[in-house]
Amino acid sequence: RKEVEQDPGPFNVPEGATVAFNCTYSNSASQSFFWYRQDCRKEPKLLMSVYSSGNEDGRFTAQLNRASQYISLLIRDSKLSDSATYLCVVTGMDSSYKLIFGSGTRLLVRP
Amino acid sequence: EAQVTQNPRYLITVTGKKLTVTCSQNMNHEYMSWYRQDPGLGLRQIYYSMNVEVTDKGDVPEGYKVSRKEKRNFPLILESPSPNQTSLYFCASSPPGTLEQFFGPGTRLTVL
Repeated sequence: RKEVEQDPGPFNVPEGATVAFNCTYSNSASQSFFWYRQDCRKEPKLLMSVYSSGNEDGRFTAQLNRASQYISLLIRDSKLSDSATYLCVVTGMDSSYKLIFGSGTRLLVRP
Repeated sequence: EAQVTQNPRYLITVTGKKLTVTCSQNMNHEYMSWYRQDPGLGLRQIYYSMNVEVTDKGDVPEGYKVSRKEKRNFPLILESPSPNQTSLYFCASSPPGTLEQFFGPGTRLTVL
């Protein structure tokens, strides 16, 4: 089993839709969780850290469920510019400084 | 401007010819890291460094070396590159107290 798993998608949604991604992780001791966004052939960019209490930044909401070992990302009112690949990241099994990336979920927002 | 820079951005080389990819950050970050990205496999961490002279293996360190002699620089060395090291490489750094990564623009390496 992979340490971090994501549905590769693509999720194809119309503008204005609400879309949610989940990411499961296998290390119950992971302490840090993040969502990144990556546009084609570009470097990943931090979207948000994921805190135990959950956090929201504008149209984006991230949640952590430690009991079921997954993190989620909700995007409301999707824009064309949200089209990208979304990567979840958790700290690794043998070191809290090691970062494990999921393979990403591709989102396509259509007009 | 706060940034992570990598050089070269593109490189085509031949098997066995030693090469170095440089990474530099101007944000006084302590944590730096190298990743490779391959289709279907996502980003995989090669090495990371928590501070000067402190480095540790990531998930795929075989065939790579790193050094951290100064805080701002974290070069990636391929002593004897092989075709399976053809990939897109990213360097990243994090501010103190967090693992939120700022990434460089990437280096596309082809080993023939």
